[in-house]
Amino acid sequence: GENVEQHPSTLSVQEGDSAVIKCTYSDSASNYFPWYKQELGKRPQLIIDIRSNVGEKKDQRIAVTLNKTAKHFSLHITETQPEDSAVYFCAALNNAGNMLTFGGGTRLMVKP
Amino acid sequence: GAGVSQTPSNKVTEKGKYVELRCDPISGHTALYWYRQSLGQGPEFLIYFQGTGAADDSGLPNDRFFAVRPEGSVSTLKIQRTERGDSAVYLCASSSYRGGEQFFGPGTRLTVL
Repeated sequence: GENVEQHPSTLSVQEGDSAVIKCTYSDSASNYFPWYKQELGKRPQLIIDIRSNVGEKKDQRIAVTLNKTAKHFSLHITETQPEDSAVYFCAALNNAGNMLTFGGGTRLMVKP
Repeated sequence: GAGVSQTPSNKVTEKGKYVELRCDPISGHTALYWYRQSLGQGPEFLIYFQGTGAADDSGLPNDRFFAVRPEGSVSTLKIQRTERGDSAVYLCASSSYRGGEQFFGPGTRLTVL
């Protein structure tokens, strides 16, 4: 089955700096890669996603890049703000389209 | 519109008891998923429904776990003879089609004493 590795497990940045979180996946047939933000005690919220037919997608301060050959994808947050502090999860959707496999999460702390 | 809802938000039970967890997906979403999230970890897939049928139950840990979706909308996750290791947050998600964006509910925090 699919295996998704996520790094780093914790990330501390100064407000205004950029943050980068990286994930690798094992199943080359996976074709959809969402990123979720989860605040303490809350539900995971989809913040951005990318499908395998594109290499990059951007939404304001958030961008995701995908390298299918290397089987890795990354989340980039620019101009970080304290409200960006949360746990971020990457995930990969299997080829059948019915199962997300999640990474272990990254706790992002943005210091004001 | 209303998002995915789950009840109860918290459930405390004793070892050996039976529990039911309910999920109301977004109206019109045909695909429904259950995940389990242990403390400090990412969600882990349990089961997927397309309409009324369990199309993939490969994530259910053992036969104490069962889920139904009799009318293709609300789903119930049922756990028999609960064990302390079952303690976790049980998340439900739905999408408008298989492979579509998955929207999560707030989860049910299950504690087995």
